[in-house]
Amino acid sequence: EAQVTQNPRYLITVTGKKLTVTCSQNMNHEYMSWYRQDPGLGLRQIYYSMNVEVTDKGDVPEGYKVSRKEKRNFPLILESPSPNQTSLYFCASSSPQGGGGYTFGSGTRLTVV
Amino acid sequence: AQSVTQLGSHVSVSEGALVLLRCNYSSSVPPYLFWYVQYPNQGLQLLLKYTTGATLVKGINGFEAEFKKSETSFHLTKPSAHMSDAAEYFCAVRFFGPGGYNKLIFGAGTRLAVHP
Repeated sequence: EAQVTQNPRYLITVTGKKLTVTCSQNMNHEYMSWYRQDPGLGLRQIYYSMNVEVTDKGDVPEGYKVSRKEKRNFPLILESPSPNQTSLYFCASSSPQGGGGYTFGSGTRLTVV
Repeated sequence: AQSVTQLGSHVSVSEGALVLLRCNYSSSVPPYLFWYVQYPNQGLQLLLKYTTGATLVKGINGFEAEFKKSETSFHLTKPSAHMSDAAEYFCAVRFFGPGGYNKLIFGAGTRLAVHP
């Protein structure tokens, strides 16, 4: 089954403790992206990657890092999480062209206390 | 700048009534347009999309949307609401740039409530 897999689904952590949210897709998509969802703001792009070793900032990149060492994986790293990063996070992938939408993971609900 | 505007953060309808969720976008070139639905505590599910061709597109669960280029709109409708339609709906627009760059921009979302 074609899918984007995120882990963990839920995470509670303390301020300053480094964490990684993993994302993996099995569709051989070149394009991957991370979004955060906050009430009243919709989904905002954090980082994206157009292919292996090619990443760039989205609209809200502060406090986040990403890497793309393999085509299927695109982890999101919070080096020093803060409470304002409490949010619902989605990973997505797509082919670079064509009319297909993005395929989204099931989301990771992060709480930073 | 590219943007997506959903009019009304909350919409409430009676069961059996028409559902109309509004979406307008700004773009200098024809974009690809999407509606996603998010049920409580779940991820995003694609309802329907417009890329090219017929401007009236049908999606899952009886929803449809019409692309109106002159109005830069892509409103979502359903003739008769069902209790199971209660969810949050997101309009999204996919923009393309040079070198394969593309970006999916979301509206702020509209929460649909359906009451008996």
